[in-house]
Amino acid sequence: QKEVEQDPGPLSVPEGAIVSLNCTYSNSAFQYFMWYRQYSRKGPELLMYTYSSGNKEDGRFTAQVDKSSKYISLFIRDSQPSDSATYLCAMSAGGTSYGKLTFGQGTILTVHP
Amino acid sequence: SQTIHQWPATLVQPVGSPLSLECTVEGTSNPNLYWYRQAAGRGLQLLFYSVGIGQISSEVPQNLSASRPQDRQFILSSKKLLLSDSGFYLCAWDGQGIGAQYFGPGTRLLVL
Repeated sequence: QKEVEQDPGPLSVPEGAIVSLNCTYSNSAFQYFMWYRQYSRKGPELLMYTYSSGNKEDGRFTAQVDKSSKYISLFIRDSQPSDSATYLCAMSAGGTSYGKLTFGQGTILTVHP
Repeated sequence: SQTIHQWPATLVQPVGSPLSLECTVEGTSNPNLYWYRQAAGRGLQLLFYSVGIGQISSEVPQNLSASRPQDRQFILSSKKLLLSDSGFYLCAWDGQGIGAQYFGPGTRLLVL
């Protein structure tokens, strides 16, 4: 079993839809949770960064962390064609001199007009 | 603000040739630096990380090596490339104690 499992998709939604992207994990030591957006042939871009459980909102994006269920989600409201990309979840235990991130395999999202 | 650069952007090399990819970070000091490889349709594989000048840790045994000659410079090398070395190579950095990493634009390597 992989340490981080991400819904593989691909996901195709109409413009304006609410998108839900999810990851589950098995390592209870994970404390830092991230979502990255990666456009084709580009480096991943940090989208959301949360520590421990709870919600964090930034514009149309909301990140949720449920440590009791070992489950994290990214919600995109009013999705736009420009949101079409691969979304990667990542997490780390922290507390060390370097941050070793464990990534999900990524979900390909297409938002069509 | 911090900026991370990688070059070249694209590289086509014959099997058995050497490799040198460079990564530099601006606007921060003493960053942790990372090299990842991303194969087509797959996740990110951590290859090397460095917490300081001359300090390199390898995550995956392979024919690649890394060096950090300066605080904000990280180099990925190979003496002889294999077909399996093809992929998208990403450099990343983070500040000490910060969980999130910031990625460069990547280098697309094709070994023929």
